Amino acid sequence: QQPVQSPQAVILREGEDAVINCSSSKALYSVHWYRQKHGEAPVFLMILLKGGEQKGHDKISASFNEKKQQSSLYLTASQLSYSGTYFCGTPGGATNKLIFGTGTLLAVQP
Amino acid sequence: GAVVSQHPSWVICKSGTSVKIECRSLDFQATTMFWYRQFPKQSLMLMATSNEGSKATYEQGVEKDKFLINHASLTLSTLTVTSAHPEDSSFYICSATASNPRSNTEAFFGQGTRLTVV
Repeated sequence: QQPVQSPQAVILREGEDAVINCSSSKALYSVHWYRQKHGEAPVFLMILLKGGEQKGHDKISASFNEKKQQSSLYLTASQLSYSGTYFCGTPGGATNKLIFGTGTLLAVQP
Repeated sequence: GAVVSQHPSWVICKSGTSVKIECRSLDFQATTMFWYRQFPKQSLMLMATSNEGSKATYEQGVEKDKFLINHASLTLSTLTVTSAHPEDSSFYICSATASNPRSNTEAFFGQGTRLTVV
């Protein structure tokens, strides 16, 4: 089952904040976050491994609520370079495969 | 971080022909690689899991006879789109992990291949 992300799309002005949510109908053991620019491969942002874990670098951070089977990505004081499509990803079963969420398109305008 | 190289970056082929896409892990051994397909404005959809030395595992709805996967070594997996048709036009991306994603290991992606079938 593919994780569902919200919102589907968001437009920001430079300097504004945004939150992207990722919800799964199945138990989450870990959550990955990636950003993809148009026509390019996804770029790794971070992994959250434990329920209650929060992590971040620069002005992008994320939290993982294992009980609610949710994760949220926080973008603070957004920059133009933050534009792209953000995907959460969760392990799909016993193998190493990663199932990506529905995606959130983020556009940061000057 | 680890490097995964995918080749070619783009390919245009005629309907009915076959196209091979290569995915190499350059500085680590990958017993498992993954092939994704992404249509415009959509998410990455897992097509199959490529297992070194054994048959690939295909996701539901993916035709194994159309999308042939070979993983002959620990550093190379290939995806061959056979008898390609315009509806196969898409962005194909491979990935590999050095270990289980349930640990603290990210997935490393190739650059992707833009396939256009005319």
